[in-house]
Amino acid sequence: AQSVSQHNHHVILSEAASLELGCNYSYGGTVNLFWYVQYPGQHLQLLLKYFSGDPLVKGIKGFEAEFIKSKFSFNLRKPSVQWSDTAEYFCAVNAGNQFYFGTGTSLTVIP
Amino acid sequence: ETGVTQSPTHLIKTRGQQVTLRCSSQSGHNTVSWYQQALGQGPQFIFQYYREEENGRGNFPPRFSGLQFPNYSSELNVNALELDDSALYLCASSPNRGRNNEQFFGPGTRLTVL
Repeated sequence: AQSVSQHNHHVILSEAASLELGCNYSYGGTVNLFWYVQYPGQHLQLLLKYFSGDPLVKGIKGFEAEFIKSKFSFNLRKPSVQWSDTAEYFCAVNAGNQFYFGTGTSLTVIP
Repeated sequence: ETGVTQSPTHLIKTRGQQVTLRCSSQSGHNTVSWYQQALGQGPQFIFQYYREEENGRGNFPPRFSGLQFPNYSSELNVNALELDDSALYLCASSPNRGRNNEQFFGPGTRLTVL
């Protein structure tokens, strides 16, 4: 069965620290990859997406992610987090006409 | 531009009952997907509708069914409710079907089954 794994369930960082959230997927064919964010009390919003081309994609609010096909990975990064980045982060894969989400990573940024 | 809206916001049902959840897609979007998000989990894909036809289905039993209307709004119906159906149900719309489309999510309907 296809799956998306997010290795970090809870992450706590101080402001200005660097962030990397892991995401691995299991699907051998062509995929599109996404990171979504859910701020407290809000609904899911797209952070960034990869469809094709440059494997390093940049999203909103200074986030970026790198697609490494050989590792089936799509890790999310941000060089310097802010308190306002406190949220739940979900990696998602679109394979064929199926969509798969990871279980999410809860990020808490301490001022 | 109006985003994705869902109704109702919250719903309480008892085991064995049936429920209908509604979703209005974003203007210009013809594809709607439904997800179930249990507490502490990521969204699980239920199915997708494109121009009133089912266009993909996740691992959910037939008692989960749906409809899409000519205006591209959609309904999710769940029959014979079970306690484990308690979850947040999310609707997402996209401009078209296919992988190269971003999904825009609604706020969800919180269903509690007692």
